[in-house]
Amino acid sequence: GENVGLHLPTLSVQEGDNSIINCAYSNSASDYFIWYKQESGKGPQFIIDIRSNMDKRQGQRVTVLLNKTVKHLSLQIAATQPGDSAVYFCAESYTGGFKTIFGAGTRLFVKA
Amino acid sequence: DVKVTQSSRYLVKRTGEKVFLECVQDMDHENMFWYRQDPGLGLRLIYFSYDVKMKEKGDIPEGYSVSREKKERFSLILESASTNQTSMYLCASSFGHNNYGYTFGSGTRLTVV
Repeated sequence: GENVGLHLPTLSVQEGDNSIINCAYSNSASDYFIWYKQESGKGPQFIIDIRSNMDKRQGQRVTVLLNKTVKHLSLQIAATQPGDSAVYFCAESYTGGFKTIFGAGTRLFVKA
Repeated sequence: DVKVTQSSRYLVKRTGEKVFLECVQDMDHENMFWYRQDPGLGLRLIYFSYDVKMKEKGDIPEGYSVSREKKERFSLILESASTNQTSMYLCASSFGHNNYGYTFGSGTRLTVV
C-alpha cells in the first residue's frame, strides 16, 4: 500500500550495484523461508523461497542465503535496477504449521 | 496468470456500518488468509481458513469475522466498522500446509470515517 514502509529500515543503492537485504528470523523450528517484494499500491509478490535443507538458492538476478546457525536470511539482488525499488519482506514458516511470520520489511531505494 | 482478486481497491465507510471485503482466488488453493497492514506494524494475520467452511483466528481477530462457503472465495466482515479499522487489507492464498509461498491480492484500502 502507499503508506507501507514508514519507519522501515532503508537501503539505498546505485543502479547497477548489487543489493543485500538482511533478515533475522525468530523460530529455530522454521524450515521454509520466503522473500516477498511489495511495490507501492500493490500486494506483496513472491520472489524466491528456500527450504532449511539448503544454504543457497538462486533465481533470476536474485540469490537467497540461509544461515541456520545464527537464524539469518539474506536476499542478494544483482545489478539492481530502478524497478527493484520496493519494500522487501522475509517470511518464515514450519512444516505442518498454518501461520507464516512476516518480517517488518526493508525499503530499497535505487538511485539512477 | 494465476490471481487473487480483491473486489475493491478503495473503500470509504462510516463508523458502525457492516463492511464486506471479498476475495477470490483461481488457483484451487486450500488455504486463504486475511491480513491487515499498517505503517510500523507490518502484516498482521486476522483470520485464515484451510478448507471450505473452516476458519481459524489469527493474531488480531477482534472486530472481524470471516466466511468461506466456497473454496475459491474468502470474505472478511467488519461487523460494526470503527475508525481504528482504517487500514490496508490484504487477502492471500496458498497451497498445502504452509510450505508454499502465498499469492497476495492487490489489497483494499479501507477508510472508516
